[in-house]
Amino acid sequence: AQTVTQSQPEMSVQEAETVTLSCTYDTSESDYYLFWYKQPPSRQMILVIRQEAYKQQNATENRFSVNFQKAAKSFSLKISDSQLGDAAMYFCAYRAYNTGNQFYFGTGTSLTVIP
Amino acid sequence: EPEVTQTPSHQVTQMGQEVILRCVPISNHLYFYWYRQILGQKVEFLVSFYNNEISEKSEIFDDQFSVERPDGSNFTLKIRSTKLEDSAMYFCASSELGQAYNEQFFGPGTRLTVL
Repeated sequence: AQTVTQSQPEMSVQEAETVTLSCTYDTSESDYYLFWYKQPPSRQMILVIRQEAYKQQNATENRFSVNFQKAAKSFSLKISDSQLGDAAMYFCAYRAYNTGNQFYFGTGTSLTVIP
Repeated sequence: EPEVTQTPSHQVTQMGQEVILRCVPISNHLYFYWYRQILGQKVEFLVSFYNNEISEKSEIFDDQFSVERPDGSNFTLKIRSTKLEDSAMYFCASSELGQAYNEQFFGPGTRLTVL
């Protein structure tokens, strides 16, 4: 069964600094997708970034980038130049390529940005 | 920008009562989902719905649960006889297509409290 683990329940970062949120997963599939979703307080989850497992190049979206290590089954999120608006719960999620369309989520990391 | 909406934001009910949670997916989306998150635990997949039928469901989605798209806009989750352990945040999501790569757009959630 697929599992997603986020070992950091809470993280904090100074404004303008860089922070890395960790995520590991377990799967026997070779084709899959990984996602980071952000949930601001009292708001809906929004997609931050996604990665196809077959791509070796790490995905980037402006200040957000991932470090995808397929062999280690690791998928960390790096936020550069942290802003106050980055404060949120961050969820790592996995979705298999062709064995169903459900997401498997981690328990989330609550990120605080310190002014 | 179109958003998934959910009503009510908070529902309190007595154990054994029926509840209906409502969602309005994004209008051109074809795939609909329900997830739940018990406090402090992972976001868990419940069910996916396409072309007016369930396409996938998890072990959690037992006979007490049902989903329906009663008209062209609403997507509902019914819990027939609520139990204390049904207390959770329930998220609705929709996606334009069902492929694993496609982003799912989430609603803000309905917090269900069963007393």
